[in-house]
Amino acid sequence: DQQVKQNSPSLSVQEGRISILNCDYTNSMFDYFLWYKKYPAEGPTFLISISSIKDKNEDGRFTVFLNKSAKHLSLHIVPSQPGDSAVYFCAASLNSGYALNFGKGTSLLVTP
Amino acid sequence: DVKVTQSSRYLVKRTGEKVFLECVQDMDHENMFWYRQDPGLGLRLIYFSYDVKMKEKGDIPEGYSVSREKKERFSLILESASTNQTSMYLCASRLGTSGSTDTQYFGPGTRLTVL
Repeated sequence: DQQVKQNSPSLSVQEGRISILNCDYTNSMFDYFLWYKKYPAEGPTFLISISSIKDKNEDGRFTVFLNKSAKHLSLHIVPSQPGDSAVYFCAASLNSGYALNFGKGTSLLVTP
Repeated sequence: DVKVTQSSRYLVKRTGEKVFLECVQDMDHENMFWYRQDPGLGLRLIYFSYDVKMKEKGDIPEGYSVSREKKERFSLILESASTNQTSMYLCASRLGTSGSTDTQYFGPGTRLTVL
């Protein structure tokens, strides 16, 4: 049963605009959330994370928002650049556990 | 920087062959993981190891086994490869000393094709 869901398989955004990638989760015990970016034929690279004690974390053009009551998080990329075109995976974990629970990914295309 | 390397980027094997996928990390991480990535299914955990000689099944362990004889090396074994094991295999490692807040770092992946 998928505990982390990314309901949009793909997203297309114009260069310079904001990209918003969404992620929902079902397990209220998750307390740490991460976003990974993956180019074809490469391994995922860590992008940004957020602990459940926060509702926002920012790193340059990337900001992650967490809404615990809605069990929802989102990744904002501003401004979007063509090099941001990749598949983005949302992941969540339990403090007592080892493994990450991944969503199925959202393929972002940033067009010039 | 953490470096996770995988022995092959591309591999082609025949049905029934025994396949070894090797993963090495150079940061003295305690935890190591094997995932497979398939279109529309995201990343699914096959096995993980939280210490040398220790292993735990993930979500899809059937048809796979693992070995961790040394801290830096985690091997995934397909005892008898089948066509439904054609996939991208990703290894990851994590420091492991401070719980879930440790980020997992991934290798470049091995694209395995079973004919």
